[in-house]
Amino acid sequence: QKEVEQNSGPLSVPEGAIASLNCTYSDRGSQSFFWYRQYSGKSPELIMFIYSNGDKEDGRFTAQLNKASQYVSLLIRDSQPSDSATYLCAVIGGTSYDKVIFGPGTSLSVIP
Amino acid sequence: DVKVTQSSRYLVKRTGEKVFLECVQDMDHENMFWYRQDPGLGLRLIYFSYDVKMKEKGDIPEGYSVSREKKERFSLILESASTNQTSMYLCASRSPGTGFSLAKNIQYFGAGTRLSVL
Repeated sequence: QKEVEQNSGPLSVPEGAIASLNCTYSDRGSQSFFWYRQYSGKSPELIMFIYSNGDKEDGRFTAQLNKASQYVSLLIRDSQPSDSATYLCAVIGGTSYDKVIFGPGTSLSVIP
Repeated sequence: DVKVTQSSRYLVKRTGEKVFLECVQDMDHENMFWYRQDPGLGLRLIYFSYDVKMKEKGDIPEGYSVSREKKERFSLILESASTNQTSMYLCASRSPGTGFSLAKNIQYFGAGTRLSVL
């Protein structure tokens, strides 16, 4: 079992819709969770981080964390074509506090 | 703003050449990382460094070495480049927090170096 899993996609949503990206992780002791956005040919940039169960909102983005079920999700409201990118989930803590484990990424395409 | 600078955006090298990829950060971060990213395989950690002159192997260190002589600079070395090392290489830096100081665990990435080994 991979440590951090994401659906590879591509996930296609129409402009204005809600895009839902999911991530599951295997280490129950994981403490911190990050979402990075990566445009084609560019480096990852941080969108959000979360460490408490529940929701965290930042503009059109909402991160949701459920430690009991070991998943973290990212919702993008009012999706725009500029949101088309690969979204990487990253997990830190648990058995190796300093090590960040990245998921393989989900490709999102927002159709105008 | 944190700035992580990689010396080259694109490199083309020949098999057997010794290749140096340089990374410099300007935020006095203790931790620095080298990843490679390949389609379908995601980001894979090659080496990381907790501090000057300290290094740890990541998940795929074979064929690579690193050097951290100064805090701001972390170099990745391909001793004898091979075609299977053609990839996008990403450098990142981080200031580790104490306990779970979350914001300080954020990794900041450089723009990446796309290396082609012919």
